[in-house]
Amino acid sequence: EDQVTQSPEALRLQEGESSSLNCSYTVSGLRGLFWYRQDPGKGPEFLFTLYSAGEEKEKERLKATLTKKESFLHITAPKPEDSATYLCAVQAMDSSYKLIFGSGTRLLVRP
Amino acid sequence: GAVVSQHPSWVICKSGTSVKIECRSLDFQATTMFWYRQFPKQSLMLMATSNEGSKATYEQGVEKDKFLINHASLTLSTLTVTSAHPEDSSFYICSATGAGPETQYFGPGTRLLVL
Repeated sequence: EDQVTQSPEALRLQEGESSSLNCSYTVSGLRGLFWYRQDPGKGPEFLFTLYSAGEEKEKERLKATLTKKESFLHITAPKPEDSATYLCAVQAMDSSYKLIFGSGTRLLVRP
Repeated sequence: GAVVSQHPSWVICKSGTSVKIECRSLDFQATTMFWYRQFPKQSLMLMATSNEGSKATYEQGVEKDKFLINHASLTLSTLTVTSAHPEDSSFYICSATGAGPETQYFGPGTRLLVL
């Protein structure tokens, strides 16, 4: 069964304190792994798609990496506006294009 | 680019009534749209997948007669919650894929409260 596990559930950082979020997955053939950011009461905002092990993508203070079993979202020198829930999802190599989401990591960055 | 809208953003209704939620892709043609629901502090649960001009595919455990989905055009999908009950209160979010079928772009969500 395809599954996504994110850790930690919640993370509190001081402004400028870098850290990483983890996404472990099992899937019967990976089409893509996706990272989204979700603010309270809003829909998820697309951040990255990773397709193969070794791939890395960056956007401002965020960098996503992928191995055959997990993905990391590295946050460098975070700011309070980076506070949000970060969701990881996988898409299997079938015809449905469905996303299977993890439970998310709630990030709070204090000034 | 890749903007998805939902209407309404908030709806309050009485138990037993039906509620329709619209999902529109504003700047691209959506070949596939997805409907999710999200309970407080939980992740997104896929309810159904809809392709333009064909019947929706529902996930296991989702009542297709209660949650009616119509994808009549490449820019519009609707979710109708029929005979709504308090347990249907939730945050409903749609997503759409376009030319790149892998990436889903999400709407802002609709919060439904059934009294």
